[in-house]
Amino acid sequence: QKEVEQNSGPLSVPEGAIASLNCTYSDRGSQSFFWYRQYSGKSPELIMFIYSNGDKEDGRFTAQLNKASQYVSLLIRDSQPSDSATYLCAVTPSGGYNKLIFGAGTRLAVHP
Amino acid sequence: EAQVTQNPRYLITVTGKKLTVTCSQNMNHEYMSWYRQDPGLGLRQIYYSMNVEVTDKGDVPEGYKVSRKEKRNFPLILESPSPNQTSLYFCASKLYNEQFFGPGTRLTVL
Repeated sequence: QKEVEQNSGPLSVPEGAIASLNCTYSDRGSQSFFWYRQYSGKSPELIMFIYSNGDKEDGRFTAQLNKASQYVSLLIRDSQPSDSATYLCAVTPSGGYNKLIFGAGTRLAVHP
Repeated sequence: EAQVTQNPRYLITVTGKKLTVTCSQNMNHEYMSWYRQDPGLGLRQIYYSMNVEVTDKGDVPEGYKVSRKEKRNFPLILESPSPNQTSLYFCASKLYNEQFFGPGTRLTVL
């Protein structure tokens, strides 16, 4: 069973701090990695994706991928209360470009 | 406005009564997909479609059917719903790397 695992949280950080969200995956051949944000009662929305080892930055968000260790992380700098949401890690498995395997999500709470 | 729509948004039904959840997108995307979301399990893919008349199973297809007769529509059919299909369902369409999700359908099967 291909799995994507995340700590369910809640991860509580003060406003202005860096929030670090982690995700591990079991399928070593996974190709593409995504982070989605889901506000309570809403649908998921894509934050960013990453394919290659290393860091990818987009505004306050940085995705980090380490294929050798099979983990992907999301850093949120200068966290704001509006960042409070559940963050979903998703992975395209080997041989399954059209499939997407999601983790259960990490709930982030940013307090003023 | 570019969007994915689902209907109904909420549905309570009884075991064995066939139902269809509709999904429509106005972005001319070839790829569409259905997911269910359950607490502690995250989103799990039910079926996906790469184009008209091309569909394939995701990770949890049992008890569901889909059809793709037009590019914009991708209905999810439960021929004989059971209580374990009580869940929050999302339809999505995709362009390149980004999936656009519909607002969700909360289904309760009694």
